[in-house]
This record gives sequence, structure tokens and C-alpha cells, in this order.
Amino acid sequence: AQSVTQLGSHVSVSEGALVLLRCNYSSSVPPYLFWYVQYPNQGLQLLLKYTSAATLVKGINGFEAEFKKSETSFHLTKPSAHMSDAAEYFCAVSSGGGADGLTFGKGTHLIIQP
Amino acid sequence: EPEVTQTPSHQVTQMGQEVILRCVPISNHLYFYWYRQILGQKVEFLVSFYNNEISEKSEIFDDQFSVERPDGSNFTLKIRSTKLEDSAMYFCASSDFGGNTEAFFGQGTRLTVV
Repeated sequence: AQSVTQLGSHVSVSEGALVLLRCNYSSSVPPYLFWYVQYPNQGLQLLLKYTSAATLVKGINGFEAEFKKSETSFHLTKPSAHMSDAAEYFCAVSSGGGADGLTFGKGTHLIIQP
Repeated sequence: EPEVTQTPSHQVTQMGQEVILRCVPISNHLYFYWYRQILGQKVEFLVSFYNNEISEKSEIFDDQFSVERPDGSNFTLKIRSTKLEDSAMYFCASSDFGGNTEAFFGQGTRLTVV
């Protein structure tokens, strides 16, 4: 069984400040990890993914995440927040099997203060 | 850019009625998925579909639900007798090689059962 825990349902940062969204996972097999973003009234868009290659993964829009097996974490960061980053962010895990669905966390709503 | 399209964007139905949610996955993808997101809750996996049959399904996907790929392009989710608790946003997704690759999501169908 797999699970994802996202700490903080809401995170508020000032424009230009560091963004840190936390994700911890539980998986009985080596995981594949994903971060998705959901803008209002839109579907889910992939930001980045970890699939057992480099532990530091760079994604779109300046986001990156680091896979830490010892901490079972996959936190999402961005050095400098922009107003356009305001959205809902979901961490997800998959076992990587061909037809496996994604197990999502509850999501973190990122608020950017001007 | 190829995208997953879902119709309708919003559907209102009376309790007990059947609904069919429609999706057109990306044309060369092999794996198809349905997820749902009840308002304020996390995105939940319903079912995956590969090679014209269900590959995996969650405990949510009971006998009231069915999926079908009636032709070479559409992928449908049917709910036979809707309940109030079926009200949610339903997302269709597709991927080319399955669980360790990016799943592309549609914009969702908001189902409201009254």
C-alpha cells in the first residue's frame, strides 16, 4: 500500500521568497514520485517527476524537488515565488507498474502575497 | 500540443439517473485512467484501463461504475444509478507507458447529483 502526506493544506509566502511544499510518502516498493499543479478551473499539470535517476529533479517553472529515501520525503522548492505560482499543488506516488494509478496527497494551496 | 479532452465540463443529474462522462485521451497513449476529486478532498484513483480491459480499480469503483472504450478514440465512465455522494470532479488521464511516466490529465467534468 502507498500513501502520501502533504504537510500544510495552505502555505503563504511573499512574492520573491522561497517556496517549500512538503511531501512525505510511504511505499512498500521503490517509488515513483510526482508533483502536479492545478490552477483554478483547470486539470492537473505535471511539474516534475522522480523515477529512480537523479535524486534532485528539476521541473517546469523553476521548481525542483529532492528525493530523500532516508527521510521518505520529496519536498518541492522554488527559490523565488512569483504571483503566477498561486495554485494547488499535489504530490503523488506510484509503484511504477504499467497500469498503476497515482496515489495523491491532499494537496497544498500555495498563496503568494504581493 | 496534444491534450486530453473531457465532455461535458459540467453535468447536473438527478439522483438515481445514469450518467456517462466522456474523454478523448491522447491518441498514441496506451493507458487510460479515471480519477475523482470530491470538493475539498484529494484526488482519488478510480480505475485504469489497458488493452481494452480494466487493469486496476480502487475500492471506490464498485458495481455502479463501468468504463468502456467504444471506439478508437473515446474512453467513457458510466455511473449507473447516481448517488448524492457521487458529486465530484472527475478527471480522465492517459499515459504512454504507464505508472512511471507522465499521466496527462483532462480539465475534468464536474458532476453534481441533486
